[in-house]
Amino acid sequence: DAKTTQPPSMDCAEGRAANLPCNHSTISGNEYVYWYRQIHSQGPQYIIHGLKNNETNEMASLIITEDRKSSTLILPHATLRDTAVYYCIVRLVITQGGSEKLVFGKGTKLTVNP
Amino acid sequence: ETGVTQTPRHLVMGMTNKKSLKCEQHLGHNAMYWYKQSAKKPLELMFVYNFKEQTENNSVPSRFSPECPNSSHLFLHLHTLQPEDSALYLCASSQDWGETQYFGPGTRLLVL
Repeated sequence: DAKTTQPPSMDCAEGRAANLPCNHSTISGNEYVYWYRQIHSQGPQYIIHGLKNNETNEMASLIITEDRKSSTLILPHATLRDTAVYYCIVRLVITQGGSEKLVFGKGTKLTVNP
Repeated sequence: ETGVTQTPRHLVMGMTNKKSLKCEQHLGHNAMYWYKQSAKKPLELMFVYNFKEQTENNSVPSRFSPECPNSSHLFLHLHTLQPEDSALYLCASSQDWGETQYFGPGTRLLVL
């Protein structure tokens, strides 16, 4: 079972920042937060992941609260091509007893409007 | 482009056919995975290969047969499938077992 909670859907205007929340209140100290997205009928695309600190890459920023019970994925300037289902996944690394299996929940359907 | 390619992208087959799905990764990764995604269901992990050795088989029916000749290529051989096997079949790879996985575009399979 997925250990995260996400809103089922969100809308965002093109050019604006999209802020996608994720609740993972039962996260343990060694579990990472991963974000993937899936555009209709395509393979999931890795976006970003983090443990404690905020992370940024060319696609997005990940803000993790100090208590690590929630996080926000930020797409700074959303485009129409960012319309997709976004999945927040909590995952323990293999070396600490984790699994190679990715457990995707229902995710958030983000629609970017012109 | 993620560096993981899959062919064919679409496949229609009858229940008595034999076909193969191909996955190739150009990332120098050591682990490769097959997933199945049925309509409105979460991803199901089918097989895992690490350094060409199968490390996981999640109770997949024998009509699905994986093959990993080297670390860059992964095949899924299909034989006497059922209509309920129609799904999006996804290949993924990671640098090492359990690390960040990168997915291919998938093969949309329809079994008639």
